[in-house]
Amino acid sequence: QVQLQESGPGLVKPSETLSLTCTVSGGSISSYYWSWIRQPPGKGLEWIGYIYYSGSTNYNPSLKSRVTISVDTSKNQFSLKLSSVTAADTAVYYCARHPIAAAGTPRYIDYWGQGTLVTVSS
Amino acid sequence: QSVLTQPPSVSAAPGQKVTISCSGSSSNIGNNYVSWYQQLPGTAPKLLIYDNNKRPSGIPDRFSGSKSGTSATLGITGLQTGDEADYYCGTWDSSLSAEVFGGGTKLTVL
Repeated sequence: QVQLQESGPGLVKPSETLSLTCTVSGGSISSYYWSWIRQPPGKGLEWIGYIYYSGSTNYNPSLKSRVTISVDTSKNQFSLKLSSVTAADTAVYYCARHPIAAAGTPRYIDYWGQGTLVTVSS
Repeated sequence: QSVLTQPPSVSAAPGQKVTISCSGSSSNIGNNYVSWYQQLPGTAPKLLIYDNNKRPSGIPDRFSGSKSGTSATLGITGLQTGDEADYYCGTWDSSLSAEVFGGGTKLTVL
């Protein structure tokens, strides 16, 4: 059974960089797309971006200038960096897996991590 | 404001049927597959429906999905108290080049 586990600091100061890692177990990180998605307290889901195991990325245009997603296939991990954070970035951050369509594009999300709450506060 | 529009809440009695709508446009629902996710209180979302109307293994046939034009619908029959959750639709938006979600619908089983 595939499992995803987010890890990283639960508290980040304003203007600093939020860094999270997702560790994939029970399956290979290869041949899938991997996303970061966040959910502010009491609000809906917002897609941050995804990375293909080969390293190609696609980011939400609204966050693109501040986001970097990377992958380490040797560790079966992928990571998120979000720079210049503000209180508006306070949210539960989820990592997730997408199967690949025949056209090579990501499909739906079939596995989610449990999520980790990141609070931006001084 | 979400790209996909869902009703904030729906409710029905145990054993009854409910539908949840998801409205979009030609750049998202109109030309891409829709998926639906169930988020029980305090937990991560879980895949309910993919490719408009397919159920993953383990999802009961009480849950169904359909799509017509730029709208999609999630149907739940034989409602149970354990179905109380937030439900989200999702798809790819070709104009935004982004995965987009609806704002979520809170289901209350009265």
